[in-house]
Amino acid sequence: DTGVSQNPRHKITKRGQNVTFRCDPISEHNRLYWYRQTLGQGPEFLTYFQNEAQLEKSRLLSDRFSAERPKGSFSTLEIQRTEQGDSAMYLCASSPGFGVDSKRNEQFFGPGTRLTVL
Amino acid sequence: AQTVTQSQPEMSVQEAETVTLSCTYDTSESDYYLFWYKQPPSRQMILVIRQEAYKQQNATENRFSVNFQKAAKSFSLKISDSQLGDAAMYFCAYRSAGSGTYKYIFGTGTRLKVLA
Repeated sequence: DTGVSQNPRHKITKRGQNVTFRCDPISEHNRLYWYRQTLGQGPEFLTYFQNEAQLEKSRLLSDRFSAERPKGSFSTLEIQRTEQGDSAMYLCASSPGFGVDSKRNEQFFGPGTRLTVL
Repeated sequence: AQTVTQSQPEMSVQEAETVTLSCTYDTSESDYYLFWYKQPPSRQMILVIRQEAYKQQNATENRFSVNFQKAAKSFSLKISDSQLGDAAMYFCAYRSAGSGTYKYIFGTGTRLKVLA
């Protein structure tokens, strides 16, 4: 399977704990995005990487959230001191930044990590 | 700031019939992209159809077509010959064509039920 993968698929944690999620994009895609989706809502943009550079961050990304893409391949999203309001589905997506396929402007989504904060 | 509105939280359609899902958006930009994504239960989102704002011709992909009305800022999705596998959440999304920003702005989604 060469699609976007995310791990873990589900995470249950207690309030105040730190959690880290991983996203592996499609291998030739140099753009990577994180979104958050709460129940009954559409995905909301959190942050975007081009290669290893984090180029855009939403104001939704509070100082408890940090994302990295150290070698321009996989990415991690860490939430420190989790709160119940952090409970959501965290989606990762990737897209090609060059070539014919980049003109389609299509983002390919992973299955998401569902976080439950107790 | 751009916004996307989907005013139909839920729609139902009989198998083999046609259904139209509505989407409106607000932007001051003249060039942008619009998308419909499908999110089946417990599965990842996949692209259904896309439209470039500079193209007047409505996009079509097999049983899926859009009615893009730029002046009215409307972008509806028509599904013809509905199948049970079409049951899913459908999200309308907007993306600016400006350089340096690639994020999608999504609507709240429409849950489509297909009745056998």
